[in-house]
Amino acid sequence: DQQVKQNSPSLSVQEGRISILNCDYTNSMFDYFLWYKKYPAEGPTFLISISSIKDKNEDGRFTVFLNKSAKHLSLHIVPSQPGDSAVYFCAAADSSYKLIFGSGTRLLVRP
Amino acid sequence: DAGITQSPRHKVTETGTPVTLRCHQTENHRYMYWYRQDPGHGLRLIHYSYGVKDTDKGEVSDGYSVSRSKTEDFLLTLESATSSQTSVYFCAISETRDNEQFFGPGTRLTVL
Repeated sequence: DQQVKQNSPSLSVQEGRISILNCDYTNSMFDYFLWYKKYPAEGPTFLISISSIKDKNEDGRFTVFLNKSAKHLSLHIVPSQPGDSAVYFCAAADSSYKLIFGSGTRLLVRP
Repeated sequence: DAGITQSPRHKVTETGTPVTLRCHQTENHRYMYWYRQDPGHGLRLIHYSYGVKDTDKGEVSDGYSVSRSKTEDFLLTLESATSSQTSVYFCAISETRDNEQFFGPGTRLTVL
């Protein structure tokens, strides 16, 4: 059973608009969450992280929100750019810091 | 970009043959990881290392072994490759256990 789920395999948004990527988890012991971006034929690239003591973390156009009671996190990209088109993975870890990844969401930003 | 290389980048092999993938880093990071990526599964941890000669199992370790004799190199071995091990393999490194992990470019392995 997947402990980290990204239920939307794909998302398409217009350039300049907001992209919202969602992630749900089932393990209440997870206390560290990350988002990675992956282009074809490359390794994943770290984007942003958040620990369970916070509910929001921002880095430029990227903001991650964490709702611990709902076991849900989301990544907001504002404004979206064509170069943001990639597969986005969320990942979670408990105190072992072994990352458990979701299956990914493919984002397409249309010019 | 973190200095991580993987070799080979592509490999085709036959069922039952041994295969070794190499991860090399120039960052002197203590932690190194091997993942596999398959459609519908994201990335899954195979094995990781927390120092020279110190390794531990991940989520999907059956059929794989690892070795780390130097800080900079982490080897993943498939003792007898099976078709179910056809995948893209990624190496990652991190400075400490709770730092973000940086990934290599990946190795595409096909087992016929």
